[in-house]
Amino acid sequence: DQQVKQNSPSLSVQEGRISILNCDYTNSMFDYFLWYKKYPAEGPTFLISISSIKDKNEDGRFTVFLNKSAKHLSLHIVPSQPGDSAVYFCAAIMTTDSWGKLQFGAGTQVVVTP
Amino acid sequence: DAGVIQSPRHEVTEMGQEVTLRCKLISGHNSLFWYRQTMMRGLELLIYFNNNVPIDDSGMPEDRFSAKMPNASFSTLKIQPSEPRDSAVYFCASPPSAGGLTDEQFFGPGTRLTVL
Repeated sequence: DQQVKQNSPSLSVQEGRISILNCDYTNSMFDYFLWYKKYPAEGPTFLISISSIKDKNEDGRFTVFLNKSAKHLSLHIVPSQPGDSAVYFCAAIMTTDSWGKLQFGAGTQVVVTP
Repeated sequence: DAGVIQSPRHEVTEMGQEVTLRCKLISGHNSLFWYRQTMMRGLELLIYFNNNVPIDDSGMPEDRFSAKMPNASFSTLKIQPSEPRDSAVYFCASPPSAGGLTDEQFFGPGTRLTVL
């Protein structure tokens, strides 16, 4: 039972344009969300996160939006650069659960073309 | 992934063989996680340890999988006997501090396992 879903396995975008990655979750108890980025032959690296008390968090070219009522979050990358080509994983966690664990989505492969 | 080392980086084995994946943390942390990445399911949590004790192993697919954490900086994931469907990339991860699980986790580079 996938509690975190990334329905787009891949996304192709031109350099300089905006990349929008989507993530949906089913568990309303999740209250903290993270995005990880993964290059080939490397482990995922933390990119940006957002608490459920916020609806937006921005860090440079990366912005994450959270819509709790829709149980949906998105990652915006603008402008997209060739170095952004990677797999992006959405993750969610219940911080109220002492033994809470990160639930990951299946990932979205982003390709930024020149 | 500077704080997490995994070995081997690649493992090719035949069905039925025992496979042992290793994870070393540069500095000890309270928590350690083993994940498996496949195309179909993305990143799945297999097991995680807190203070060297397995807390949740509900993600371990079968009894063929076992994991140990004998000390704060080392863990093994063993598959015996291995099967072709175990082929995946296995990651070890640990939070950067002793803080909560919301800390972004540091992942190792992964072990790509191929079972023929």
